[in-house]
Amino acid sequence: AQSVTQPDIHITVSEGASLELRCNYSYGATPYLFWYVQSPGQGLQLLLKYFSGDTLVQGIKGFEAEFKRSQSSFNLRKPSVHWSDAAEYFCAVGNTNAGKSTFGDGTTLTVKP
Amino acid sequence: GAGVSQSPRYKVTKRGQDVALRCDPISGHVSLYWYRQALGQGPEFLTYFNYEAQQDKSGLPNDRFSAERPEGSISTLTIQRTEQRDSAMYRCASSLGGIGETQYFGPGTRLLVL
Repeated sequence: AQSVTQPDIHITVSEGASLELRCNYSYGATPYLFWYVQSPGQGLQLLLKYFSGDTLVQGIKGFEAEFKRSQSSFNLRKPSVHWSDAAEYFCAVGNTNAGKSTFGDGTTLTVKP
Repeated sequence: GAGVSQSPRYKVTKRGQDVALRCDPISGHVSLYWYRQALGQGPEFLTYFNYEAQQDKSGLPNDRFSAERPEGSISTLTIQRTEQRDSAMYRCASSLGGIGETQYFGPGTRLLVL
């Protein structure tokens, strides 16, 4: 069965500082991997996704993520955080045989001025 | 263009009542998904459709939960004889179809069962 672990429930960073959100997955084959952001009262918005090929994936809003098969990880990074990045972030793994995705429990990001 | 819409946005009901949650996907999207999200947790898969066919309902918790998409567009998730443990955010997503296609999420319906 597929699963996702986001080890950090809550992270606080200063505006302008770099950010890394961790994600570890469990899946039997090459996974489809996603990062979503959820702002209060909003739906989930896709930041980026990995299917195959280049293991460093660029997304919207200056985010990137790196797929590391050996570590079963897909960590999300941003070099300089903006106050508007404060939100909840979800990592998800997609089933390559069917449409459903399995989500982690999320990491809440707080940005200090 | 319009995104995924869900109605109602908030629903308060009494234990034992039936509720119907509606999802209107992005026009032309083949696949439609239902998820449930409890506070402090990520979305949990319930079921999904390709066109009008329900492809996977393995995530539906029990037989009080059902979903339909009769014309391959709008979908309804029905919960019969609601219980307090059913209280959650119910999210709908749609995609163009095909494995790994991006899912676009609606704003969700917040259900509270008293």
